[in-house]
Formats: sequence, C-alpha cells, structure tokens
Amino acid sequence: KNQVEQSPQSLIILEGKNCTLQCNYTVSPFSNLRWYKQDTGRGPVSLTIMTFSENTKSNGRYTATLDADTKQSSLHITASQLSDSASYICVVSLNTGGFKTIFGAGTRLFVKA
Amino acid sequence: DAGITQSPRHKVTETGTPVTLRCHQTENHRYMYWYRQDPGHGLRLIHYSYGVKDTDKGEVSDGYSVSRSKTEDFLLTLESATSSQTSVYFCAISTTIQETQYFGPGTRLLVL
Repeated sequence: KNQVEQSPQSLIILEGKNCTLQCNYTVSPFSNLRWYKQDTGRGPVSLTIMTFSENTKSNGRYTATLDADTKQSSLHITASQLSDSASYICVVSLNTGGFKTIFGAGTRLFVKA
Repeated sequence: DAGITQSPRHKVTETGTPVTLRCHQTENHRYMYWYRQDPGHGLRLIHYSYGVKDTDKGEVSDGYSVSRSKTEDFLLTLESATSSQTSVYFCAISTTIQETQYFGPGTRLLVL
C-alpha cells in the first residue's frame, strides 16, 4: 500500500534553534517528493521538490534531503523564526500514466520566543 | 496565492442541500484539482481536471461532482450535502501533472 508517514506529529522549539522533520514513504514507482509549508488558515506552499537522483535541495533556511534507497526524506530548518510556525507536509508522487500523489498528514511546528 | 481564488470562503449549509464551490484561476494552468483536508488526514484528492471538459476521479470522489467549462473555472458540487462532508476544501492548479501545485486559500464548509 502506498503511504507517506511523517514524524513527529507536532514539535515545539525555541526561536533560533534548528529542527529536523522526517518523512518515510512506501510509494512505488517513485517520481518525486515535495515539501510544503501550510500556515494556519491558508493553502500549502511548495518549499522544495526532489527527483530520484537528487539528494539535497535548499530553499533559504530550509534544506530537504532524500534517500531513495531507504525511502526517507527529511526537512531541516535552520535558525528557526516565529514565522516558521506552521504545518509541514511531505508529498510523494508516483510515476504512473495518470495522476497519483500521496500527502502525508503533516508535522505541526510551533516556534516559541 | 498564485492567482487562485475560491468562493465562497466560508459556508454553512444543511444536510441534504446541494452546494457548489468555485475555483477560479488567472494563470492559464491546464490542471486543476479539488482536495479536502480533515484533521489527522493528509490532503485527499476528490477530482481533478486535465483540460476543459476533461475530468477524472480522485480517491474520495463519492458524493461529489465537478465541471470545467472554461480553463479558468473548476466547480465542485456536493449533490446532497452530508455531515461527513464538513471539511476544508482546497483548489490547486499546475502546468503539468508532475509540476508543483499551487493552492488556493481554501473554503471552510460546515454541514449541519
């Protein structure tokens, strides 16, 4: 069964600290993996996208990694800011003829002053 | 929100009534999608469109229908709303089926 699991479900950190969010997937055939940020009351916004051959992708203070062999991805946030408080969603797309994308349930991050 | 609007933004309705949600884009993207988002679940695809009058079902399509008569508009209809359809509905667009999707602001629907 194709699944995307994220951990932890929620996380509280202090402003200025780093954190890492995890995404494990059992999806085949794999096409790409995206991380989205979703602020409360708004739609998700894309942070990074990685294909099978890419190991790392950065977007400012956000760095995503992908290990296609172990089917794991992580999102590392450096020097967190209050505005990083949001849900972070891992999304995996399958390489099929049609459209097939599986969304994780997300990790809720709270950054405290 | 990448030139995507959804209307209404909030709606309260009664069980058994029909409801139509509208997604409008100004980006001329070919693909449009409707998702629902519920606590504890990831976004789940209801229906998507790959062109005018071309639509296909997603994983939770029962009780929903869609129409796309123009590139810029994608309508989601709940034929007879049920309490289980209380949710936040997001529209998204993309240029190709594999490209990044851009999401609208969402519609919060409450079915009493």
